[in-house]
Amino acid sequence: DAGVTQSPTHLIKTRGQQVTLRCSPKSGHDTVSWYQQALGQGPQFIFQYYEEEERQRGNFPDRFSGHQFPNYSSELNVNALLLGDSALYLCASSLGTELNTIYFGEGSWLTVV
Amino acid sequence: GIQVEQSPPDLILQEGANSTLRCNFSDSVNNLQWFHQNPWGQLINLFYIPSGTKQNGRLSATTVATERYSLLYISSSQTTDSGVYFCALTGGGADGLTFGKGTHLIIQP
Repeated sequence: DAGVTQSPTHLIKTRGQQVTLRCSPKSGHDTVSWYQQALGQGPQFIFQYYEEEERQRGNFPDRFSGHQFPNYSSELNVNALLLGDSALYLCASSLGTELNTIYFGEGSWLTVV
Repeated sequence: GIQVEQSPPDLILQEGANSTLRCNFSDSVNNLQWFHQNPWGQLINLFYIPSGTKQNGRLSATTVATERYSLLYISSSQTTDSGVYFCALTGGGADGLTFGKGTHLIIQP
């Protein structure tokens, strides 16, 4: 049983560019959440998707957007990249809001230069 | 929003030692969990423990929700226990997890 898979694992982008990160949830999970983890910090909640809708959002600007597909996979898009967007982006899946079922992927390391 | 404080921020121990990691939180919370982040960045669930005590091998955790703290105990530490330990929870109507800053644990052989 595959866990949460994310792609790409590492990428480098230039300031002002746009990036798309992808996530496939654990089998049987229908809810996907995205987190940003800056170096030396704990992860911060970006948003959560359920039934292809954004259910809740953390304190992130509109440059961060997402999408959930009918097969429950998800994308995170970040526009107009800033140096401060450099971080590890973690995807997590769960069964609805039952966070006792949450699983995290290995993350996508984004460097903005 | 909910405040989560973890202590100590850093901990260096010899193999075989025991340790206690603490998580304090500022309000009534739900879904309190402990995670271990390995050097490659993946977060591994250790305990889902909104209240009470649980044990899994050399690890155990206790949450006293009325006093707003949780403790993670690691006994007979091994070098593979090294990494960052995070406490995370939900509260204040938020569905997303709020994480502490973590405890960076180094176990030396």
